[in-house]
Amino acid sequence: SAVISQKPSRDICQRGTSLTIQCQVDSQVTMMFWYRQQPGQSLTLIATANQGSEATYESGFVIDKFPISRPNLTFSTLTVSNMSPEDSSIYLCSAVQGAGVNTEAFFGQGTRLTVV
Amino acid sequence: AQSVTQLDSQVPVFEEAPVELRCNYSSSVSVYLFWYVQYPNQGLQLLLKYLSGSTLVKGINGFEAEFNKSQTSFHLRKPSVHISDTAEYFCAVSSGGGFKTIFGAGTRLFVKA
Repeated sequence: SAVISQKPSRDICQRGTSLTIQCQVDSQVTMMFWYRQQPGQSLTLIATANQGSEATYESGFVIDKFPISRPNLTFSTLTVSNMSPEDSSIYLCSAVQGAGVNTEAFFGQGTRLTVV
Repeated sequence: AQSVTQLDSQVPVFEEAPVELRCNYSSSVSVYLFWYVQYPNQGLQLLLKYLSGSTLVKGINGFEAEFNKSQTSFHLRKPSVHISDTAEYFCAVSSGGGFKTIFGAGTRLFVKA
């Protein structure tokens, strides 16, 4: 199984600033994803982090607001840009290993972001 | 496109009583189905998953779920709950090689003494 480390685990940021969240997996994975969990709500997929190319964003999310990098198979970053209080959420990294019925998804512990 | 509907936002139940958390999904292709649990201020933990084979899936902590293709459901059950089962439970679906996972809104299980 894969272990995912996210940094930072939490942060309090001023509006208008940007925060970059790092996601490190301890083994090679097929796919990496970023999710947002707003207070009291479910997880919403932000984007698929593609290795060496631009991320694939879900409806309602754009690259200018949430730039993502994935320079190799085990590392990805998500930046929350020009933050506002509405961006206060938990941001989670997810990684998938295996294929077909042997596929398994893993989640990081999340980054709890508060924008003031 | 896939979607997941969790029919109950909150389920209160007394300790040692049985519980069922309901989940329906929609998808135009074959799916993989999951239940995750999230304890307060903690990350997601996989309870169980259905990828293929037997439609009755057993998971951790005494939970089980049954995949019903005709009713497009994947309800989670436990015959006797404990106070420690109080948490948020998420049903999720994915399909295809991309394994992009879509989550339901969640069901908050309250177990009362």
